[in-house]
Amino acid sequence: DADVTQTPRNRITKTGKRIMLECSQTKGHDRMYWYRQDPGLGLRLIYYSFDVKDINKGEISDGYSVSRQAQAKFSLSLESAIPNQTALYFCATSDLRGASYNEQFFGPGTRLTVL
Amino acid sequence: QQQVKQSPQSLIVQKGGISIINCAYENTAFDYFPWYQQFPGKGPALLIAIRPDVSEKKEGRFTISFNKSAKQFSLHIMDSQPGDSATYFCAASETSGSRLTFGEGTQLTVNP
Repeated sequence: DADVTQTPRNRITKTGKRIMLECSQTKGHDRMYWYRQDPGLGLRLIYYSFDVKDINKGEISDGYSVSRQAQAKFSLSLESAIPNQTALYFCATSDLRGASYNEQFFGPGTRLTVL
Repeated sequence: QQQVKQSPQSLIVQKGGISIINCAYENTAFDYFPWYQQFPGKGPALLIAIRPDVSEKKEGRFTISFNKSAKQFSLHIMDSQPGDSATYFCAASETSGSRLTFGEGTQLTVNP
């Protein structure tokens, strides 16, 4: 079973719709992240959370919100989707303990298209 | 504002050749420099990482070279293979936190 799972894997929606992307992890990590990937722009951080009660904005948080429902779950919402939010979205987790210090483990991604 | 600049955007290499990808950073507080590899349809995965107390780190065919004074680091892939064809991202972070700042990515194609 995958350590970091994302649902849905693909989503097509219309402008103005609310959409939620979900991320779950079984790695027991405290830290979770949401990124978007666009060609030529790399991975850009949207939001991150260092524990259940800690939520922080990343580089490009406008138009997005998040919820950390539990240590293992971190959701990303687009309240009113717009076409320039069409992108590949990744969830990641990390831990500062042990041999995998600061290594981020990524989910398989969600391809979102906003028409 | 991109704090980590990566080049080239794309790279084509023949099998057996050397692939070189370069990154430059501005923030002198960065002290952890990983490279991630991403295959189509997959999330990125850590390939190799370096801290600035060493100038080079080698793992198999993959080597990171680090130049602290120039604020640059690079990934060298020796004896490149078609299976190395992927997108490579450099990144950087400060020890005090685990936020990674990624470069723009390099799409590597190794021709057979």
